[in-house]
Amino acid sequence: KAGVTQTPRYLIKTRGQQVTLSCSPISGHRSVSWYQQTPGQGLQFLFEYFSETQRNKGNFPGRFSGRQFSNSRSEMNVSTLELGDSALYLCASSVTPPGGTNEKLFFGSGTQLSVL
Amino acid sequence: QKEVEQNSGPLSVPEGAIASLNCTYSDRGSQSFFWYRQYSGKSPELIMSIYSNGDKEDGRFTAQLNKASQYVSLLIRDSQPSDSATYLCAVLVYGQNFVFGPGTRLSVLP
Repeated sequence: KAGVTQTPRYLIKTRGQQVTLSCSPISGHRSVSWYQQTPGQGLQFLFEYFSETQRNKGNFPGRFSGRQFSNSRSEMNVSTLELGDSALYLCASSVTPPGGTNEKLFFGSGTQLSVL
Repeated sequence: QKEVEQNSGPLSVPEGAIASLNCTYSDRGSQSFFWYRQYSGKSPELIMSIYSNGDKEDGRFTAQLNKASQYVSLLIRDSQPSDSATYLCAVLVYGQNFVFGPGTRLSVLP
């Protein structure tokens, strides 16, 4: 079974631009979560989608948004990029929403975003 | 605010020794606990999950949970250089999202 697939693997943007990241979950997984990872802050939760609905959102500004499609694939968008947005963006999938009993998260390889 | 704390390390142990990684959490409603391993430049990989008090063993790995003390640990027996990685503790409150600790960097010296 294929794992969580994220594209692109690397991305270089300049301040003020916007970016869209893509995530395809493991087949049969309907929940997708997004995390930002930086050396100083560790893994920070961005948001989680299940059945095309955003169920939880972390403490990030409105410049960060996402959506989920009917096939469970998800996209994350960051508008008006800032230098501080440089990070590894990880997508994780699970069968059901993370709040369920005995649920586990499986991560993709991530998108390394550099903002110049 | 829910918090998960870990010693950042690096924790250095000689090959063949037992590595002990610790994690504390603040939310008493936490009910599921996980250990992820992350190699440099790679994504986190789930290695252990534990849901009830006590020990859970899987090969060279043992997870220990003490909900009264809000403490979870990971023991790695017969540590190998290939175990050198950052170990992330994650905590889940049902109905909410996972909260990750900052990770402990483990270095196993040949």
